[in-house]
Amino acid sequence: QKEVEQNSGPLSVPEGAIASLNCTYSDRGSQSFFWYRQYSGKSPELIMFIYSNGDKEDGRFTAQLNKASQYVSLLIRDSQPSDSATYLCAGERDTDKLIFGTGTRLQVFP
Amino acid sequence: DAGVIQSPRHEVTEMGQEVTLRCKPISGHDYLFWYRQTMMRGLELLIYFNNNVPIDDSGMPEDRFSAKMPNASFSTLKIQPSEPRDSAVYFCASSHDRYEQYFGPGTRLTVT
Repeated sequence: QKEVEQNSGPLSVPEGAIASLNCTYSDRGSQSFFWYRQYSGKSPELIMFIYSNGDKEDGRFTAQLNKASQYVSLLIRDSQPSDSATYLCAGERDTDKLIFGTGTRLQVFP
Repeated sequence: DAGVIQSPRHEVTEMGQEVTLRCKPISGHDYLFWYRQTMMRGLELLIYFNNNVPIDDSGMPEDRFSAKMPNASFSTLKIQPSEPRDSAVYFCASSHDRYEQYFGPGTRLTVT
C-alpha cells in the first residue's frame, strides 16, 4: 500500500463546476498535507496546505482534512480551463519530508 | 529572486556514462531536496539537505547515485554509471521551512 494514494483520473468537469480531488494516506503520524498543481511539462507548485481537521479556504480552493478517516480533499469552485493540470497530494513525514501521491489529472472543458 | 535554477534542462546520454545534474537553490533557503519523477512511480524524494548537510538519503535508489552540497548555493546529483531505467525528470526544490517547497524547472534525463 502506498503511503499517499490518489485516483489517477482523468477527472473531467465542465467549466464553472466544482472539481473534487481526493487523497487518502496510511501514516497516522502525518500531520500536514499539501496540494501541488503541476501543468504538463512544468514543475509542481504549492497551492495549499492544511494541518488541522476541517476546511481551509483560499479563493476558489478549499482543502479538507479528516484525520480520523485519513482523508484529504481539494475542492475547486468555478473550475476554469486554466485549472486543467495534475494535482499532487503530499503528506508530511518525519517533519521534513513530503511523500507525494502519483497525482490526479483534472480536465476542465468549456 | 530567480527561483530555483537547474542545469542542464535536458540531458541525453548513453548507458554507462556519468551524468551530473546541478541545482542552485533560492538564496536564504535552508532545505534542498532532490526528487525524481516518472509516470510509473510519480514524484519520489531521493535525498534532502538541511544547512548543506545530508539528512536523509534513504530514497537514493542505489550506490550509483550520489549527491553533494558543498555550499548553500549549489548542489549536484551524480549518476555513475547511468542506466536506461534512470530516465526521468529530476527536480530540485528548496524551502526555508518545511511547509513550502519551491521546485526548479527540472532536468529531463534520457539514457539510451
